[in-house]
Amino acid sequence: SYVLTQPPSLSVAPGRTATISCGGDNIGGKSVHWYQHKPSQAPVLVIYHDFRRPSGIPERFSASNSGNTATLTISGAEAGDEADYYCQAWDSSSDHGVFGGGTKLTVL
Amino acid sequence: EVRLVQSGGGVGRPGGSLRLSCVVSGLKFEDHDMSWVRQGPGKGLEWVSYINWNGRIRSYADSVKGRFTISRDNAKKSLFLQMNSLRAEDTAVYYCAREGGYNYGYVSWGQGALVTVSS
Repeated sequence: SYVLTQPPSLSVAPGRTATISCGGDNIGGKSVHWYQHKPSQAPVLVIYHDFRRPSGIPERFSASNSGNTATLTISGAEAGDEADYYCQAWDSSSDHGVFGGGTKLTVL
Repeated sequence: EVRLVQSGGGVGRPGGSLRLSCVVSGLKFEDHDMSWVRQGPGKGLEWVSYINWNGRIRSYADSVKGRFTISRDNAKKSLFLQMNSLRAEDTAVYYCAREGGYNYGYVSWGQGALVTVSS
């Protein structure tokens, strides 16, 4: 089965840039989406189809996808960005959805 | 405004059954593929099941295949997950999620429903 690998945690100072990686075999050949998930809330789509931002998502959120790594970048991190972030893709070989293990972002 | 309102869940016995529902409003439900995603206690998000717009294409995670059944009623704008042969490891918050289209990801989510499997 297809596996997406994320670092479990990341800390960033307020105002600095956070970069979260998502590794997978030839992930650059897939469409990758990113979700922000805060406790007791439903997940929120922050990036779709590799680098596109849904309406209402700040420009501080950007992403890229190439080779074996997809990356989510949060510029000028704010306290409100503290959350778990998940990458997600569709594995067409098995017809299964796949989530990365999630990265807990701490802003302090 | 698009809304996904979930119901069902609760406590189920090992080997028992539960059914989750998700009613969608604010859009043309039959235009959208849907999925179920869950999060076990202390765990990450896990994709559970997918159904296409007309219900003819369905897929399941290996962990639930043969035990869970996804279905939809487009006339009632509703999505369902029938969970049979429940196991302790099925304990999780279950979310219904709407796909925005090909390569759009899960653009809308339900509020979540807690399923606890315990004797």
